[in-house]
Amino acid sequence: DADVTQTPRNRITKTGKRIMLECSQTKGHDRMYWYRQDPGLGLRLIYYSFDVKDINKGEISDGYSVSRQAQAKFSLSLESAIPNQTALYFCATSDRQGADEQFFGPGTRLTVL
Amino acid sequence: GDSVTQMEGPVTLSEEAFLTINCTYTATGYPSLFWYVQYPGEGLQLLLKATKADDKGSNKGFEATYRKETTSFHLEKGSVQVSDSAVYFCALSGKTSYDKVIFGPGTSLSVIP
Repeated sequence: DADVTQTPRNRITKTGKRIMLECSQTKGHDRMYWYRQDPGLGLRLIYYSFDVKDINKGEISDGYSVSRQAQAKFSLSLESAIPNQTALYFCATSDRQGADEQFFGPGTRLTVL
Repeated sequence: GDSVTQMEGPVTLSEEAFLTINCTYTATGYPSLFWYVQYPGEGLQLLLKATKADDKGSNKGFEATYRKETTSFHLEKGSVQVSDSAVYFCALSGKTSYDKVIFGPGTSLSVIP
């Protein structure tokens, strides 16, 4: 079984809809991250969490919110989706000791019409 | 702030050709440097890393040497295979990035038989 899972894997939605992307991990890591990937831009950090009570904005947090429900779960929400949020979204984890290596989920492809 | 620059792709090579993907960085102090690889339809996974100047990271026939004097971490492989077709990301984790990883834009590699 995969260590970092994301649901759904694909989602098509309409402008203005609220969307939640979920991430679960079985690695026992404290740190979790949400990124979006756009062609030619690499990965950009949306939010990150170093433990259940710690949530931090990344470089592109506007229009997004997150919830860390447990050590193993980190959800990303788009409160009112817009077309330029169409992208590939990745969840990642790292542990406190080896914080520099990150472990990625398979990604969620989101299309906002 | 910290940043990573990579050569633009896509790169197309014939099987058994020599591969170089250039990467340069800007960071304060002594960051850790990484190469991540993303195979089609998958999340990123760590390919290799180096944590101090002159270190050489290696894995699966790929190598990269941490060159502080030229702020570079170029990825090389002596003989590529079709299975190496993927997107390669150079990344760093430095003192000013608060344990976050900064990714380059990625370089797409296609290896043809």
